[in-house]
Amino acid sequence: DAGVIQSPRHEVTEMGQEVTLRCKPISGHNSLFWYRQTMMRGLELLIYFNNNVPIDDSGMPEDRFSAKMPNASFSTLKIQPSEPRDSAVYFCASSRYPSWLDGGETQYFGPGTRLLVL
Amino acid sequence: KQEVTQIPAALSVPEGENLVLNCSFTDSAIYNLQWFRQDPGKGLTSLLLIQSSQREQTSGRLNASLDKSSGRSTLYIAASQPGDSATYLCAVRGGGSYIPTFGRGTSLIVHP
Repeated sequence: DAGVIQSPRHEVTEMGQEVTLRCKPISGHNSLFWYRQTMMRGLELLIYFNNNVPIDDSGMPEDRFSAKMPNASFSTLKIQPSEPRDSAVYFCASSRYPSWLDGGETQYFGPGTRLLVL
Repeated sequence: KQEVTQIPAALSVPEGENLVLNCSFTDSAIYNLQWFRQDPGKGLTSLLLIQSSQREQTSGRLNASLDKSSGRSTLYIAASQPGDSATYLCAVRGGGSYIPTFGRGTSLIVHP
């Protein structure tokens, strides 16, 4: 398997522009996570999907952020309008949860998208 | 709310030393604890996962232990090598939650 695939790897945009980040999870994984990493705040969970359904989006900073998972093999994270404080590395991760009681899952991370908003 | 703390934040050691990285968490009702490695400019790579019923896991020169009652985990690296230089993060998945909480990481430099 190619692992978790994210695109683009780097994005530079101007304040106010729309940014769309993409993620393809590992085939067969039914859980998908979007994280944001900054020097100031470390790694923060933005949203978690299970079986394509958003389960917890409490980490989404504000209404400017939205995430979708239209099918098991694709997810997007959109920022509209973007602001300089959104500059960070955005990671997508996937895992397989046979049941919610099973604590044996491992998260697999993509290489991340480095976003710079000028 | 679960809080995860990693000490030290940074560590620099000569090659060959045995190391202990620490991770502490505030809520002992956990499902599992996972150690990750992150190289500069890269994503996170899972090293070891310890389920709540386990006390330790080993992989090569790495050994991770878990003491739920005290809210602590340690990652032991034997005979460190320059290639071990990276940031090491621990993540805890608490009871009733699908979501792991990450520590800020320990930045390790092993110099020749």
